Amino acid sequence: QVQLVESGGDLVKPGGSLKLSCAASGFTFSDYYMSWIRQPPGRGLEWVSYISTTGTTVYYADSVKGRFTISRDNAKNSLYLQMNSLRAEDSAVYYCARDKSRDGYSHFDYWGQGIPVTVSS
Amino acid sequence: EIVLTQSPGTLSLSPGERATLSCRTSQSVSSSYLAWYQQKPGQAPRLLIYGASSRATGIPDRFSGSESGTHFTLTISRLEPEDFAVYYCQQYGTSPTWTFGQGTKVEVK
Repeated sequence: QVQLVESGGDLVKPGGSLKLSCAASGFTFSDYYMSWIRQPPGRGLEWVSYISTTGTTVYYADSVKGRFTISRDNAKNSLYLQMNSLRAEDSAVYYCARDKSRDGYSHFDYWGQGIPVTVSS
Repeated sequence: EIVLTQSPGTLSLSPGERATLSCRTSQSVSSSYLAWYQQKPGQAPRLLIYGASSRATGIPDRFSGSESGTHFTLTISRLEPEDFAVYYCQQYGTSPTWTFGQGTKVEVK
């Protein structure tokens, strides 16, 4: 069965860095576009970043552009999010999610369980 | 940037009742790019409806989606105890971006 397992969340000081990982299994990872989506405590969902199957095309929300970098390693069935210059408003549960369509640019049919990131001094 | 506005913010209903949730888009969007998710406390969102009206795998037929122009609706025909949750609409738009509504909480009356 499809599984997405995030790791790497932590408490970090403002201005600090963190790298999230998402280990995928149960499907051919290299065939699917992937995304990171976050949810601040008690609030709604916010799309963060998106990556094509080969990693050559990436997109970011304006709120993280220039600070976050999405990447993937298809040989390791893994998705990553490098987060730099972290701010308090980046505190959230971060989910990795699979795009439902192999052509990309649609909806998210599988989600990880989420990993909390807290940015605080 | 397209904005999705969900209403009501909270819906208080009893098991067995019908739930009607609304999602309005600030601009016309293709129905192909509109989805609904369910989220229970402490859990990840689950895809319910995609393409405005197609049920995702394993979703019971009491869940249905429809559209009328910029107005999209999620209907739960008869609420089961496990349906009390928060529901989000989401659209894929140009730029590209993926936008979520602010959510509707369906709670037990």
